[in-house]
Order: sequence, then structure tokens, then C-alpha cells
Amino acid sequence: EAQVTQNPRYLITVTGKKLTVTCSQNMNHEYMSWYRQDPGLGLRQIYYSMNVEVTDKGDVPEGYKVSRKEKRNFPLILESPSPNQTSLYFCASSYLPTGKNGYTFGSGTRLTVV
Amino acid sequence: GENVEQHPSTLSVQEGDSAVIKCTYSDSASNYFPWYKQELGKRPQLIIDIRSNVGEKKDQRIAVTLNKTAKHFSLHITETQPEDSAVYFCAVFSSGSARQLTFGSGTQLTVLP
Repeated sequence: EAQVTQNPRYLITVTGKKLTVTCSQNMNHEYMSWYRQDPGLGLRQIYYSMNVEVTDKGDVPEGYKVSRKEKRNFPLILESPSPNQTSLYFCASSYLPTGKNGYTFGSGTRLTVV
Repeated sequence: GENVEQHPSTLSVQEGDSAVIKCTYSDSASNYFPWYKQELGKRPQLIIDIRSNVGEKKDQRIAVTLNKTAKHFSLHITETQPEDSAVYFCAVFSSGSARQLTFGSGTQLTVLP
């Protein structure tokens, strides 16, 4: 089954404790992206990747890192999480940056930083 | 970067009525405009899209219209049903240097039985 797998689904952590949210897709998509969803703000792009070893900042990259060492994986790293990073995070992938035929989203990760 | 504004933020309609959600954008180089639907607790899913060389597109009860001159596009849902209740996001793809999909802030649509 074609899918984007995100883990974990839920995570509660403390300020400053490094964490990684994993994202893996099995569709051979070149384009992958991370979004955060906050009430009233919609989906805001954090980072995106056009292909292996090619990553770029989105609209809200501060406090986040990503890597794309393999085509299928695109982990999101929070080196020192802070409470303002409490949010719902989605990974998405597509053949093209436009998402023609749609982005395939992961099931989401609800992160709480206390 | 691109600025996408979406209105209204909440919309309640009676079952069977029509619903219209509007979005405006700022970058005249934008050329692709999809709409996503997110049901409660689920991931967003593409429901319809339109390219800049087309003015209108329909798929059963949903349609999207685009006015490139005015830089706005709209989602129209006719004969609404309770299962249409969800959050709807418009999005805009800019073909400039950023090459990214920018989403609107979302509209919570509630269809009242």
C-alpha cells in the first residue's frame, strides 16, 4: 500500500530534550516536505526536499533541522524543543513540488513540549 | 514569499444548501491551485485542483473557479451533505524561486442536518 509513515503519532517531551520525528514513503517520490498545523494558521511549511541531499527552508524553519540521506526518509529534528513548537506535524511527499495528483500526507505527529 | 488569505474561517450551512470558500493570493507567478479536505483527526486529502490556464473545473458536487487577474479562486460545494463537514484548505504553488505549496489558514465547514 502506497503510504507515508510518520512516527511517533503522539509525543510529550520536555524543553531542551532533542527529538526526531521520522517520515518514510514507499512511493519513490522525489519531493518531501514537513508542515506544522496550528489553529487559525493552517499548514505552514517548515522544510522541503527536492531530492536526496537537497533540502531547503520553508516559511517557519527556525528551531528545526532535516536531512535527506535516502530518497524514502526525511526525518524532522528538533535539537532543543521549546513550548512554542507544540503543534501537529505532517510529513508529505509527491512526485512534483506542486503535488499534482495530490500530496500524500502522513498520519500526523502531535507534539507537546512542556 | 506567497501570501494566501482564506475566508471565511468558519461556515455553517443547512444540508442541501451550497457553500463557497474564497482565497486570494499575492504572487502573479503562481500557477497551480489545489484544495484539500481534512476530516476531524485525519490527514489532509486533495479534493480538486485547477491550473492557471483554466477558469473553472467541476467534479460532481464540487467546483473551483479561478480569476487570475484578481488573484482569487473559490471552492463551491453544492447540495451539501453532513459528510462534507470538515476543514478545507486552499493552497497556491508559486513557480518562482521558492517552488513551494503555500496553504491558506483553513475553513471549518459544518453542514447542519
